[in-house]
Amino acid sequence: DAKTTQPTSMDCAEGRAANLPCNHSTISGNEYVYWYRQIHSQGPQYIIHGLKNNETNEMASLIITEDRKSSTLILPHATLRDTAVYYCIVRVAHGSSNTGKLIFGQGTTLQVKP
Amino acid sequence: DGGITQSPKYLFRKEGQNVTLSCEQNLNHDAMYWYRQDPGQGLRLIYYSQIVNDFQKGDIAEGYSVSREKKESFPLTVTSAQKNPTAFYLCASRQMGAAGAQHFGDGTRLSIL
Repeated sequence: DAKTTQPTSMDCAEGRAANLPCNHSTISGNEYVYWYRQIHSQGPQYIIHGLKNNETNEMASLIITEDRKSSTLILPHATLRDTAVYYCIVRVAHGSSNTGKLIFGQGTTLQVKP
Repeated sequence: DGGITQSPKYLFRKEGQNVTLSCEQNLNHDAMYWYRQDPGQGLRLIYYSQIVNDFQKGDIAEGYSVSREKKESFPLTVTSAQKNPTAFYLCASRQMGAAGAQHFGDGTRLSIL
């Protein structure tokens, strides 16, 4: 599975959009981009995933560049409860050899401030 | 509500003792996973199971054992052979055969007395 690079930390003002970048320059054609977040002492929470098209759900939007070498997670109106560590993960989703294992890096610590 | 339930939330182990962490899911997912998380670190895979009565070692299986007798249950035993068991243990499940995302429980924090 391809590696990802994320900034260590980011701040965002409450009510503003939070844009979290992720680089995955070695991504393969059959690898998906997944985003999770983890609030202290809780299990990781699934946010969104995508292959090459932009995706949106009730939590966030995922923008994937045309060359798929990077992506951005957008939280449209950040609240204090969005303060967490955000993980960008690239994983092969299909195939008999796919264990489904997720490789979590250090992630981005997002601090939403009043 | 569908989800993954881990119990207990906190667990204490004495030296030389085996302890078992429970993980139950009612999402009808085929695959289940156990991860370990140490402070300030990412998750590391201990064991996983893609079908009932079958499971595979992950990256750090030594000192741990699992069983998968039912689709909805995947208990993890931390044996006395695991010399550094203090960690946050997370169970996850997902539906096979798709780009299905893993969904996690709220974890069990294990400490040594």
